[in-house]
Amino acid sequence: TQLLEQSPQFLSIQEGENLTVYCNSSSVFSSLQWYRQEPGEGPVLLVTVVTGGEVKKLKRLTFQFGDARKDSSLHITAAQPGDTGLYLCAGAREYGNKLVFGAGTILRVKS
Amino acid sequence: DAGVTQSPTHLIKTRGQQVTLRCSPKSGHDTVSWYQQALGQGPQFIFQYYEEEERQRGNFPDRFSGHQFPNYSSELNVNALLLGDSALYLCASSPLGTTLLYEQYFGPGTRLTVT
Repeated sequence: TQLLEQSPQFLSIQEGENLTVYCNSSSVFSSLQWYRQEPGEGPVLLVTVVTGGEVKKLKRLTFQFGDARKDSSLHITAAQPGDTGLYLCAGAREYGNKLVFGAGTILRVKS
Repeated sequence: DAGVTQSPTHLIKTRGQQVTLRCSPKSGHDTVSWYQQALGQGPQFIFQYYEEEERQRGNFPDRFSGHQFPNYSSELNVNALLLGDSALYLCASSPLGTTLLYEQYFGPGTRLTVT
């Protein structure tokens, strides 16, 4: 059973389009991270959100943590081919910093 | 500032053999976690080491064991390899005892293929 459900599993869009990836759970997390991973490489940390309702922006990427700290979203504005990759959300529970990952969203941006 | 490093990059083993993977954490980090990522899936937590002791463990059998050295580097050992152990093994480090408690930085991984 996946504690963190990501949707959609796969997204193929044209350059310049906007998109949103969702990460949902029935569990409360103390923090949630978003990572981007390219084939054959390790995940690269994009952002950490820790406060319910928190919104963080990283250039064209906007991350939001749900008020109840059970869900999160990643919105990309004007997607570019360089945004192509696997996007992973990961949550940390109260004790320690063991990360629980979603299955990921594969994003392909076509030029 | 060196990031997380792992060795080897790739490894091919036969069923029943044993394997050791190595990880050096990011400078200033003292906690090391290991994850297994099967093809098309998100990483699954194996265990975490801090102060040379295993702090937490995921749902993995005892064939998976580890060690942390005084310089914070770590090893992951897998005995009696099965075909299903084929995966990308990721090491992540984090600075325990700071406000960045929940942030983990990943190495490039070791691709293990069991034939």
